[in-house]
Amino acid sequence: QMQLVQSGPELKEPGASVKVSCKTSGYSFTNYEMNWVRQAPGQGLEWMGWINTRTGSPTYAPGFTGRFVFSLDTSVSTANLQIRSLKAEDTAVYYCARGRGNGRSFFDSWGQGTPVTVSS
Amino acid sequence: QSALTQPASVSGSPGQSITISCTGTSSDVATYDIVSWYQQHPGEVPKLIIYEVTKRPSGVSNRFSGSKSGDTASLTISGLQTEDEAYYYCYSYANTTYLFGGGTQLTVL
Repeated sequence: QMQLVQSGPELKEPGASVKVSCKTSGYSFTNYEMNWVRQAPGQGLEWMGWINTRTGSPTYAPGFTGRFVFSLDTSVSTANLQIRSLKAEDTAVYYCARGRGNGRSFFDSWGQGTPVTVSS
Repeated sequence: QSALTQPASVSGSPGQSITISCTGTSSDVATYDIVSWYQQHPGEVPKLIIYEVTKRPSGVSNRFSGSKSGDTASLTISGLQTEDEAYYYCYSYANTTYLFGGGTQLTVL
């Protein structure tokens, strides 16, 4: 049974960093790309980008370059999202989502979401 | 401002049909069959209900259907049920990237 299990809620101060993990099971991790999606409080979904799980090469959507870093730990079938120099506007729920089609055409399985709160 | 435009809200009565539109441009939605739709109940994880414009994942009710005409993709829900009340998002390649529409709140009256 396919599962994407994300790490727990985070509360961080502005300027700090946070790492969100997405541990997968029930399928071959490197056969599917991993995407990240942000949802700010009361707002819609934003596609942040994707990472090639075979090569580790990330692609970031406009607006998510510089402070956002996608990475992998293929030994434990896990994708990670790191956000550096956190700002209040980074407060959101972050989802990992398995990519299908060309890897980012659509998402057939999602993690449960990780709430990140940035506040002093 | 999303490059994929959805109505902010739509409503319907139980048993009726509704359609949610997702409008892009002639160089994205009209050109590529990469439109998918997601249902999200408040506080829950988004769920894929339509992919590649018209395809329905296993387990999704056949009351949900997708289509496309020119630069506008559409999600139709027939035989509305109270549990269909949720937010619906389209997703596609648009404006040289991939992105979600702004979302549509469906109210079942």
